[in-house]
Amino acid sequence: EDQVTQSPEALRLQEGESSSLNCSYTVSGLRGLFWYRQDPGKGPEFLFTLYSAGEEKEKERLKATLTKKESFLHITAPKPEDSATYLCAVRPYSGAGSYQLTFGKGTKLSVIP
Amino acid sequence: EADIYQTPRYLVIGTGKKITLECSQTMGHDKMYWYQQDPGMELHLIHYSYGVNSTEKGDLSSESTVSRIRTEHFPLTLESARPSHTSQYLCASSDLSNTLGGSLLREKLFFGSGTQLSVL
Repeated sequence: EDQVTQSPEALRLQEGESSSLNCSYTVSGLRGLFWYRQDPGKGPEFLFTLYSAGEEKEKERLKATLTKKESFLHITAPKPEDSATYLCAVRPYSGAGSYQLTFGKGTKLSVIP
Repeated sequence: EADIYQTPRYLVIGTGKKITLECSQTMGHDKMYWYQQDPGMELHLIHYSYGVNSTEKGDLSSESTVSRIRTEHFPLTLESARPSHTSQYLCASSDLSNTLGGSLLREKLFFGSGTQLSVL
């Protein structure tokens, strides 16, 4: 069974204090790993897609990396506006026409001024 | 800029009522989805659609039904709401474009702001 585990569940950082969020996955063939950001009362917002081990993507203070078993979302010098829940999702390979993502529970990040 | 709208944002109703949650997108996306999310829990897919007149059930069993008569519209209906249906319902659409000769699908989901449903 495909599984996605995110850690920690919650993370409090001081403004400027860099850290990383972890997403460990078990899937029967990975077709993509996705990071989304979700603000309270809103739907998730797409951040990155990673397809193969060793791949990296960057956007402002965020950098996502991928290995064969996990992905990291690195946050460099975070600001209070980076506070949100970060969701990881994987799309396993399950034949043509499969569109089902498996999501983790997310990491709630709070950045304190 | 994603343009996907859900109404209502909040809904409080009594047990046994029939409800329809509305979802519309103006991006011309073929693929649309309904997810259910409880606080601190994963998003679970309950319905999806490849296009007009095409709907499938997701991995989470749901008593709701959906229809896709128009590309831009994907409403979800509960014939008789129960307290166990209390949850956040998120609608999404996707932009699928083939890359690298069609061997990879670069899909990203655009989500609406959700409907928070409370059944008393």
